[in-house]
Amino acid sequence: EVQLVESGGGLVQPGESLRLSCAASGFIFNNHWMSWVRQAPGKGLEWVANINQQGSEKYYVDPVKGRFTISRDNAETSLHLQMNSLRAEDTALYYCARIFCTRNCYSGDWYFDLWGRGTLVVVSS
Amino acid sequence: DIHMTQSPSSLSASVGDRVTITCRASQNIINSVNWYQQKPGKAPKLLISLASSLQSGVPSRFSGAGSGTDFTLTISSLQPEDFATYYCQQIYSIPITFGQGTRLEIK
Repeated sequence: EVQLVESGGGLVQPGESLRLSCAASGFIFNNHWMSWVRQAPGKGLEWVANINQQGSEKYYVDPVKGRFTISRDNAETSLHLQMNSLRAEDTALYYCARIFCTRNCYSGDWYFDLWGRGTLVVVSS
Repeated sequence: DIHMTQSPSSLSASVGDRVTITCRASQNIINSVNWYQQKPGKAPKLLISLASSLQSGVPSRFSGAGSGTDFTLTISSLQPEDFATYYCQQIYSIPITFGQGTRLEIK
């Protein structure tokens, strides 16, 4: 079955760290860019980070730059998000998403075609 | 950063109605816009890519249009399963940004 399954969420205090994982199955993982997208409770979607197929290109939204690191293990078909120095505003449901590029991934012609169910991160004292 | 202004933020409509949701980009993004539908407790689902390409399996009552800065998602005849929240997304440049969402409710 083609799926993404996130894990690693939980309740942490401000300043602490958490590592999220996303297990991919049912497709050729190293053919795809991957992404993390988050959604604060009752709020809209916010893109967090992208990573290319080899893990050599990474992009982040400004509020997480320097604190979060996206990575992947193609042998294990898994995606990760290391989150350090967590803040209350990082509280959200974190989704792992697969990117499908129609032509190439640099042409503004791609989309999220597969999502996990999300893992909840709560940052609170 | 490219800001996506989506309107309305909420909308009440009846089954059978035609509804249109608008998204305006803060700069020219050609046609690099996707539309997603999200139901409560579920992950988003892609409806439209590249402003107007209907995804496989998505009913033909959904359509997308626009280019440059102004984009629309239209549902030609609302069905009960269409009541959800809709988001536009620009993928023209990093950071990727979403509109704030349109909650479509039953009147």
